[in-house]
Amino acid sequence: AQSVSQHNHHVILSEAASLELGCNYSYGGTVNLFWYVQYPGQHLQLLLKYFSGDPLVKGIKGFEAEFIKSKFSFNLRKPSVQWSDTAEYFCAVISGGSYIPTFGRGTSLIVHP
Amino acid sequence: ETGVTQSPTHLIKTRGQQVTLRCSSQSGHNTVSWYQQALGQGPQFIFQYYREEENGRGNFPPRFSGLQFPNYSSELNVNALELDDSALYLCASSLEGVSGANVLTFGAGSRLTVL
Repeated sequence: AQSVSQHNHHVILSEAASLELGCNYSYGGTVNLFWYVQYPGQHLQLLLKYFSGDPLVKGIKGFEAEFIKSKFSFNLRKPSVQWSDTAEYFCAVISGGSYIPTFGRGTSLIVHP
Repeated sequence: ETGVTQSPTHLIKTRGQQVTLRCSSQSGHNTVSWYQQALGQGPQFIFQYYREEENGRGNFPPRFSGLQFPNYSSELNVNALELDDSALYLCASSLEGVSGANVLTFGAGSRLTVL
């Protein structure tokens, strides 16, 4: 069964700092990859996704993620975080042949102004 | 377009009782899935409904059951509630529910507390 690991459970940064949140998955075949975000008081929503093509994908609000197949990773990055990026971030993976995403346990990001 | 709406937002039950949670999918979406999110954890897949039939199920016992209606709305029913059922229950709708391009639109969730 697919498993998804998000090693950073809590991250605290100051505004303008760079961000990288790790996501690793276990299945070695074809995958579709997602990052979802939940801002305080709001629904979970899609931040970005990778299905195929350029392994560097760009999402909303200046976020990007890089798919590295050899490392089974899909890390989320942002060069300069803002206070408004404070949220819970979830990585999710759909393995080849499936249509059901497996979620990581999430990373709570707090950005101090 | 309307998003995914869930009701009730909060409820408290006692062990052994039964609960029904409701979900209206986003306009145009034909697939509904349900997730359980325990505190400090990511969403755990319960099951998915497509064209009114269950077409995928996670590692949850049969006392978790569901329905999808012709208008694509859905219910999650949990019988014989246990303390460990206390969690946030998320409903998500999607248009490509039976493909790997399954991008989910989530509701705000129903917070269930079992005493």
